[in-house]
Amino acid sequence: DAGVIQSPRHEVTEMGQEVTLRCKPISGHDYLFWYRQTMMRGLELLIYFNNNVPIDDSGMPEDRFSAKMPNASFSTLKIQPSEPRDSAVYFCASKIFGAGVTEAFFGQGTRLTVV
Amino acid sequence: GEDVEQSLFLSVREGDSSVINCTYTDSSSTYLYWYKQEPGAGLQLLTYIFSNMDMKQDQRLTVLLNKKDKHLSLRIADTQTGDSAIYFCAESMPIGGSARQLTFGSGTQLTVLP
Repeated sequence: DAGVIQSPRHEVTEMGQEVTLRCKPISGHDYLFWYRQTMMRGLELLIYFNNNVPIDDSGMPEDRFSAKMPNASFSTLKIQPSEPRDSAVYFCASKIFGAGVTEAFFGQGTRLTVV
Repeated sequence: GEDVEQSLFLSVREGDSSVINCTYTDSSSTYLYWYKQEPGAGLQLLTYIFSNMDMKQDQRLTVLLNKKDKHLSLRIADTQTGDSAIYFCAESMPIGGSARQLTFGSGTQLTVLP
């Protein structure tokens, strides 16, 4: 398996534009997480899905943020409209449910710059 | 609330030992993790420790857990320039039923000086 795949790797957009980040989890993983990383706030959990269903979106900063998982192999994180303070690295991670150690595998991230 | 705290920066000389510290809050955490993030990359699991253990050693890495104080540390022996990265402590917290999620600290930027 190629691991968690995120696209694009880098995105530069103008304030007010819509931004869509994409993630393909590892096949067979039933949990998917979206994280945001900034210098000021570190790594924040935005939302996670279990079997394609959003379970907890309490980390989503505002209504401008939305996430979907239409099937087990694809998820999107959308920001509309984007603002400069949304500039960050956004990570997607996936894991298999298990009572023991189940490693969360991270994608390489999408570096978003809103100008 | 549930917070995982780490110091932000650590600098060491090549060949010295590095010790990265972390405090967590959830006493029900069953596993505690150390992740490593190299520049421009995602997080990779480095090592983990089960909460009923005090210490775990894996080659140059030693994890110490003080469950009473909720303190976790990662010691890297003979630190190399390739160890320069951000190290994240994470605790496994219940999210409903028997499922758990990871809560990360802010990360410690380790800089290894020649």
